[in-house]
Amino acid sequence: GENVEQHPSTLSVQEGDSAVIKCTYSDSASNYFPWYKQELGKGPQLIIDIRSNVGEKKDQRIAVTLNKTAKHFSLHITETQPEDSAVYFCAASIEPAGTASKLTFGTGTRLQVTL
Amino acid sequence: EAQVTQNPRYLITVTGKKLTVTCSQNMNHEYMSWYRQDPGLGLRQIYYSMNVEVTDKGDVPEGYKVSRKEKRNFPLILESPSPNQTSLYFCASSPRGGESKNEQFFGPGTRLTVL
Repeated sequence: GENVEQHPSTLSVQEGDSAVIKCTYSDSASNYFPWYKQELGKGPQLIIDIRSNVGEKKDQRIAVTLNKTAKHFSLHITETQPEDSAVYFCAASIEPAGTASKLTFGTGTRLQVTL
Repeated sequence: EAQVTQNPRYLITVTGKKLTVTCSQNMNHEYMSWYRQDPGLGLRQIYYSMNVEVTDKGDVPEGYKVSRKEKRNFPLILESPSPNQTSLYFCASSPRGGESKNEQFFGPGTRLTVL
């Protein structure tokens, strides 16, 4: 089955700096890669996703890149703010047409943005 | 408000005492899933359901049961809880089908302690 590794497990940056979280996956058939943000005391929430037919996707201060050959994908957060402090999970799945996908999650990265 | 609800949010119980954690969604989603979250292990899928009366094992199903008698409800049953089932549990739901419909919506979590 799919195995997703995520690094680093903790990341501390100063406000305004950039943060990068990296994930690798094992199953070359995986084609859907979402990122979830989990704030303290809450369930994870989707913040951005990418499919294997594109190499990069941006949404304001966050971006995700995908390298299918190397089987790794990354989350980039620019101009970090205190509200970006949370645990971030990457995930991978094979997204068959017409059905929901079974996600395999990474182990999470705790991001702390300091003032 | 579109949401996934879980009850109870916190539960302390003793080994062997059967318990049920309820999950309900009001978004008419076909796909529902249970995860457990443990430090350093990320989110691991316990069971999932593609639709009413259709359930299947995830990655860590041992010691758990589920049922899907109605579309909106997906209870998680621990027939004989053990201390290694102490964890944070999340229910999630997702619509089925199409590239834009694979976001999983998570409930707020249930923190279970088995003594």
